[in-house]
Amino acid sequence: ILNVEQSPQSLHVQEGDSTNFTCSFPSSNFYALHWYRWETAKSPEALFVMTLNGDEKKKGRISATLNTKEGYSYLYIKGSQPEDSATYLCARGHNNNDMRFGAGTRLTVKP
Amino acid sequence: KAGVTQTPRYLIKTRGQQVTLSCSPISGHRSVSWYQQTPGQGLQFLFEYFSETQRNKGNFPGRFSGRQFSNSRSEMNVSTLELGDSALYLCASSLGGGPLSYEQYFGPGTRLTVT
Repeated sequence: ILNVEQSPQSLHVQEGDSTNFTCSFPSSNFYALHWYRWETAKSPEALFVMTLNGDEKKKGRISATLNTKEGYSYLYIKGSQPEDSATYLCARGHNNNDMRFGAGTRLTVKP
Repeated sequence: KAGVTQTPRYLIKTRGQQVTLSCSPISGHRSVSWYQQTPGQGLQFLFEYFSETQRNKGNFPGRFSGRQFSNSRSEMNVSTLELGDSALYLCASSLGGGPLSYEQYFGPGTRLTVT
């Protein structure tokens, strides 16, 4: 069984704070790592797909890094805004064509 | 470009019945994946179809099946419904590489309640 774990489970920050979350996963037979943002009452939105060890991706104030050898990825949000409030999910693709999601980190940004 | 659409949005069924859910991908997308989201288990991958063939499959019983048509629209079927099948069912489409290596675009989901 492949376990994808995310920490923290929830996070409350003030507007303007920078924050980061962790996604941990088994490193064997790694294929890809996805990050999604899921706002309440909306559909999950893809943020990043990373496949190579050392990958770093950035989209606006959000960036992510990937370490496939040790099995973790970090998601960073710089200068959090209230509209960043959402659940951030990571998912690990396995090379037997399965995909496992973490339970998510619920971020609340207070104005 | 129109997004991923799913029908119906809400559905109530009785235990033992079967249900069919539909997903229309973004135009030009050939891969459609299905997911189940429950409070207890989180988001779980069901299966993925590409060019009318099931290419990837998660760890779900055979009661869960699907198919894809030549226009890339996909249907998911659940037979002999159980109370535990109550969930939000999401579909997602991507250009071609499938869920493992390509960005996916999710539909709004179908909320299934089994009584």
